[in-house]
Formats: sequence, C-alpha cells, structure tokens
Amino acid sequence: DTEVTQTPKHLVMGMTNKKSLKCEQHMGHRAMYWYKQKAKKPPELMFVYSYEKLSINESVPSRFSPECPNSSLLNLHLHALQPEDSALYLCASSQDPTLFEKLFFGSGTQLSVL
Amino acid sequence: KNQVEQSPQSLIILEGKNCTLQCNYTVSPFSNLRWYKQDTGRGPVSLTIMTFSENTKSNGRYTATLDADTKQSSLHITASQLSDSASYICVVSANNDYKLSFGAGTTVTVRA
Repeated sequence: DTEVTQTPKHLVMGMTNKKSLKCEQHMGHRAMYWYKQKAKKPPELMFVYSYEKLSINESVPSRFSPECPNSSLLNLHLHALQPEDSALYLCASSQDPTLFEKLFFGSGTQLSVL
Repeated sequence: KNQVEQSPQSLIILEGKNCTLQCNYTVSPFSNLRWYKQDTGRGPVSLTIMTFSENTKSNGRYTATLDADTKQSSLHITASQLSDSASYICVVSANNDYKLSFGAGTTVTVRA
C-alpha cells in the first residue's frame, strides 16, 4: 500500500461550522504533513508531525487545529473558518521527517467556505 | 532566499509531440530536486527525484535532467498523450531547511 488516503474529497461548510479533514497512510511513515493549496498556486506548508508529535506549525491561525491520534492517522479540525480559507488541503507523508525527498501526497480535500 | 522558477507558465502541444519544461533554482545548499505531476483538484504525484550527483532520470516517457552547476533542471515529455495534461511542479529541498521550495508549476495541455 503506497497511498495516502484523504476524506472527504469535497467539503462545503459555513463559517460557524465545525468539521474535520482526515488523512490515513499505512506505509509506516513517521512524518505527516498538512499543506494548503490555492488554485494555480504551489502548496504551502501548514503543519508537520514527526513521530506523532507536532514539530512545525507555520504560523497557522488557531481556527485550524491538527491532531495525530496515531502513527497512521492525521486529522485537521476546522472551526470558524473564513471564505479565504477555501482551498485544496493536501496531506502528505514521508518515511522519515528528515528525508523530505520521500514525500507522498494524498488526493486532497477541496474545501469551500461559504 | 530559496526560490524556484519554472517556465513556461503554460503550454499547449499536440498529441504525440514532445515538449520540455524548465526549472531554475537558487536553493542552497542543494539536497535534491523532484518533479511532480498534479491533475486539477488532485494531489501531486512524484515523477522523478535527483540528487546532486545525478544528471538524468527517466520514468517512462518522462525524462528529467539536472545541472547542479548552473542550478537548472528540465523535464522532457516524449510522445505526449492526452493524459499528460496537468500541472508539472518542480520542487527543491535544501540540506538545512525542513521546508520544500515549490515552483509555481507549468500547465501542460495536450490536444488531439
């Protein structure tokens, strides 16, 4: 299994809603990442989890809350989002947090905030 | 500042033709360079990865080159197919930086 699985594929939410994005990998990777990608722009790093602990937070607003329940799962909890948060949210994983070249991306969740 | 620049921004080619995409970078100290293919609304998929000592890497009809001296890379697509229509992103990593440097991508459209 060489896949990173993200659910849901599409999500529409209001600014007062609470929702969660989910990411799963079974490759035994010990680093997992959240990226945000606006249309026609490159992905922007949001969070890095290394061995189930948050190691990097790229100054992301607190309305985005990551969680890593175990080595295979990564969640992104969303609350009180703004319309400008609408984007493709990508999860990625790598074998080792220091080996960025081995990065596997999921298919993403297309988020629309109304 | 680590930067990655890609050209052209977009291109249109006829099915069966070849094309070459360019990537110039200022990332230092260089660790590796990767080309990704990204379909609209999907996650990037890795095509090739090259370290400092490698100057050519192939993956089927995709061939990447790297000139670490001039800090340039190219991705050559041979005998293009309609399914090659996508954005191609050049990504460079530095030895001392956890953050990847992404290019803005080249959008390739293959027409029948």
